[in-house]
Amino acid sequence: AQKVTQAQTEISVVEKEDVTLDCVYETRDTTYYLFWYKQPPSGELVFLIRRNSFDEQNEISGRYSWNFQKSTSSFNFTITASQVVDSAVYFCALSEATGGGADGLTFGKGTHLIIQP
Amino acid sequence: AAGVIQSPRHLIKEKRETATLKCYPIPRHDTVYWYQQGPGQDPQFLISFYEKMQSDKGSIPDRFSAQQFSDYHSELNMSSLELGDSALYFCASSFRLAGVTDTQYFGPGTRLTVL
Repeated sequence: AQKVTQAQTEISVVEKEDVTLDCVYETRDTTYYLFWYKQPPSGELVFLIRRNSFDEQNEISGRYSWNFQKSTSSFNFTITASQVVDSAVYFCALSEATGGGADGLTFGKGTHLIIQP
Repeated sequence: AAGVIQSPRHLIKEKRETATLKCYPIPRHDTVYWYQQGPGQDPQFLISFYEKMQSDKGSIPDRFSAQQFSDYHSELNMSSLELGDSALYFCASSFRLAGVTDTQYFGPGTRLTVL
């Protein structure tokens, strides 16, 4: 069975600090997809990034970067120079490719990130 | 860009009543997913549909049913509501190409309160 673990329940940092959110996953499939979503206080789920299991390239998007390591089954997310607007709950999610493309996501418990001014 | 539309945004029901939630996917998306998020919890996958056929099933209670219509919109029907059904219900949509899992884009959610 698939599982996603976000060990950090809550992280609080001061604005402009860098912060890394950890995500460890478990799956028996060789083909799978990993995602990060942001849920701000307003409640919507905002897509941030998608990675397939064959693409271990790290990615950078502005202040956001992601480190995917299959060897440790981790998909960590780093925010550089954090801002108050980054305050939200961040979810890591996994989808196995067993349903032919319509598989549900398995989410981690989420990390509540608080950026203090 | 057009997003996933969910209606109603808020719904208040009594115990044992029924509720119907609606979801309109992003134009040209053919796959719809339903999730339930309890207070302080992560979203839990309920069910998905591709081309009007049920595709994947998660932890959907037997009291709940769903379907996808010819225009690709979907409805989640919930009967014999219980207090524990109070949650935020998300619909997501994606475009399925050659069996490849595409990104799921989420709607704003329907907040259901059962009294």
